[in-house]
Amino acid sequence: DGGITQSPKYLFRKEGQNVTLSCEQNLNHDAMYWYRQDPGQGLRLIYYSQIVNDFQKGDIAEGYSVSREKKESFPLTVTSAQKNPTAFYLCASAQLGQPQHFGDGTRLSIL
Amino acid sequence: QQPVQSPQAVILREGEDAVINCSSSKALYSVHWYRQKHGEAPVFLMILLKGGEQKGHEKISASFNEKKQQSSLYLTASQLSYSGTYFCGGCGAGGTSYGKLTFGQGTILTVHP
Repeated sequence: DGGITQSPKYLFRKEGQNVTLSCEQNLNHDAMYWYRQDPGQGLRLIYYSQIVNDFQKGDIAEGYSVSREKKESFPLTVTSAQKNPTAFYLCASAQLGQPQHFGDGTRLSIL
Repeated sequence: QQPVQSPQAVILREGEDAVINCSSSKALYSVHWYRQKHGEAPVFLMILLKGGEQKGHEKISASFNEKKQQSSLYLTASQLSYSGTYFCGGCGAGGTSYGKLTFGQGTILTVHP
């Protein structure tokens, strides 16, 4: 079945540590997105990529980095520069202008 | 700047109707609506591509007034399964903004038996 797979489901980060969240899609979508969701908040865009080897900063890119070396993969690294990383992270993919399909999310917490 | 949704929360009895509004301060190419259950991923409901367009899916429909940059989601004869948080997402026109959604803060809908 086609879909988006995010891993891990839960992740814990120590102070000063970088962590990487995985996002893989087999929908053959050109565009991929990373969102952050805080309790009671909407979805805020971190980074997005419209094509392979290209990506754009979203509204809250500071402290995060991404890569898009393959069409099906768009990993997100939460760096130590992100001082408040505890949140629910959602990855999505879409054909441009079409509905976005979301993964099940990764919940990141600080140890 | 994110779209503004209203109301922030609404409580209904089964069978009642509700309207959720979404207003944008910038020009939009399209509006997307999603519903999210607690702890789950958002699920796509519908997309409105043209000004004045109105679309429907069973008892859920939506409209988009391009002149006012406002969209409304209509839920009629609500069911328990409609409970969740509803988000509107505004999509810009061209270039690197195309396909980029800016979401509203969400409207929490609770349907009671």
